[in-house]
Amino acid sequence: EDQVTQSPEALRLQEGESSSLNCSYTVSGLRGLFWYRQDPGKGPEFLFTLYSAGEEKEKERLKATLTKKESFLHITAPKPEDSATYLCAVQAVGGSQGNLIFGKGTKLSVKP
Amino acid sequence: DTAVSQTPKYLVTQMGNDKSIKCEQNLGHDTMYWYKQDSKKFLKIMFSYNNKELIINETVPNRFSPKSPDKAHLNLHINSLELGDSAVYFCASSDRGGNAQGQYFGPGTRLTVT
Repeated sequence: EDQVTQSPEALRLQEGESSSLNCSYTVSGLRGLFWYRQDPGKGPEFLFTLYSAGEEKEKERLKATLTKKESFLHITAPKPEDSATYLCAVQAVGGSQGNLIFGKGTKLSVKP
Repeated sequence: DTAVSQTPKYLVTQMGNDKSIKCEQNLGHDTMYWYKQDSKKFLKIMFSYNNKELIINETVPNRFSPKSPDKAHLNLHINSLELGDSAVYFCASSDRGGNAQGQYFGPGTRLTVT
C-alpha cells in the first residue's frame, strides 16, 4: 500500500537555527513528490514538485531534496514567518492521475 | 485575483440537512478535486474531475455527490448530513490531467454539523 510518513510531527526552532523535515514514502513507482505549506485556517500552498532521485529545488530559505525512499525539506536560517505546517504528498505510478497521498505533516514553529 | 475560490467559508447546519459547497478556479486548469481534512489535519482526496469527467471517486458515502458544470467549476452536494461529516473541505485544481502536476488549493470550507 502506498504510504507517506512525515517526521517529526512538530519542530520548534529558534530564529536562525537551520534544520530539516523528513518525508519517507513507500510507493510502487513514484510519479512525483510534492511539498506544501499550510497556514492555520488556510488551504495548502504548493511549494515544490520533485520527480527523480537526486533532484533538488529551492525557494528562498527552503530547499527540497529527493532520494529513492525519502525527501527532505531543509530550512536555512528560518524566520518566524516560516512557521506553518509542511505537508508532503506523493503521486504513484499506476494510481489515478492527480491522486495525491498526503502525509500528516510537520508543524514548524520558529521563535524570535 | 483569487486562483481557486470556495463558498461558503463556514457552514453550520443540523444533522439530516442537505448542503452544497461551490468551487471555482480561474487558472485555466483542466482538473479539479475535492479533499477532506479531518480534525487531525489529515488531508484525503475524495473526488477528481478532468474536463467535467469523473476520474477519482474514493470510498466516500453516496450522500456526497460532486458536479462539474464546466471545467472551471466543481461543486459538492452533501445529503442527509451526519456528525462525522464535520471537517474542512478543500477544492483544488491542476493542469495536464493532474499527471505529476502541483495542485492549487482553495481556502477551504469549514463544515460543522450539530
